[in-house]
Amino acid sequence: GEDVEQSLFLSVREGDSSVINCTYTDSSSTYLYWYKQEPGAGLQLLTYIFSNMDMKQDQRLTVLLNKKDKHLSLRIADTQTGDSAIYFCASNSGGSYIPTFGRGTSLIVHP
Amino acid sequence: DADVTQTPRNRITKTGKRIMLECSQTKGHDRMYWYRQDPGLGLRLIYYSFDVKDINKGEISDGYSVSRQAQAKFSLSLESAIPNQTALYFCATSDRADEQYFGPGTRLTVT
Repeated sequence: GEDVEQSLFLSVREGDSSVINCTYTDSSSTYLYWYKQEPGAGLQLLTYIFSNMDMKQDQRLTVLLNKKDKHLSLRIADTQTGDSAIYFCASNSGGSYIPTFGRGTSLIVHP
Repeated sequence: DADVTQTPRNRITKTGKRIMLECSQTKGHDRMYWYRQDPGLGLRLIYYSFDVKDINKGEISDGYSVSRQAQAKFSLSLESAIPNQTALYFCATSDRADEQYFGPGTRLTVT
């Protein structure tokens, strides 16, 4: 089955850019997602990208997709302390629309 | 009001007890899911349901059962709780494709 990998921790200084990386194995993935989980809360969709796109930008968020390498990244510009959270990458394979989640990357933003 | 609600939010129970976690949604979605989250392991799918008459096992269904009482309600049962079922449990809903909407989670501790 699909496997989604991401590093577990990232620490950045406030105002810097954060880049969270993810790799997936299923080349037939049609949607790739980034979810954010704040402490004590459920996951919330941040953004997603269709597999036929290379890049998607939404305010401070930039998603880059390299289909050849099956690599997805999320860049957060001007990272704020409020961005501290766990970020999950997820991939949606084929027609089942059941995403496979990575283990989550804990982003810690230092003032 | 929240779109996806879960009850209880926290529960401590003893080994061998039967526990039911409940989920309700007002999104009008047909698809509902139960996940568990463990530190460093991300989200793992327990069961999912694409409509009221459809129930499917996820990757870690052993020790769990579910009931889809209505389009809006999907409950998860632990027939005989054991300590390694201590985790954070999330219910989610989705329409046919893409975004999943998560509840706030139930923190379950089995002693």
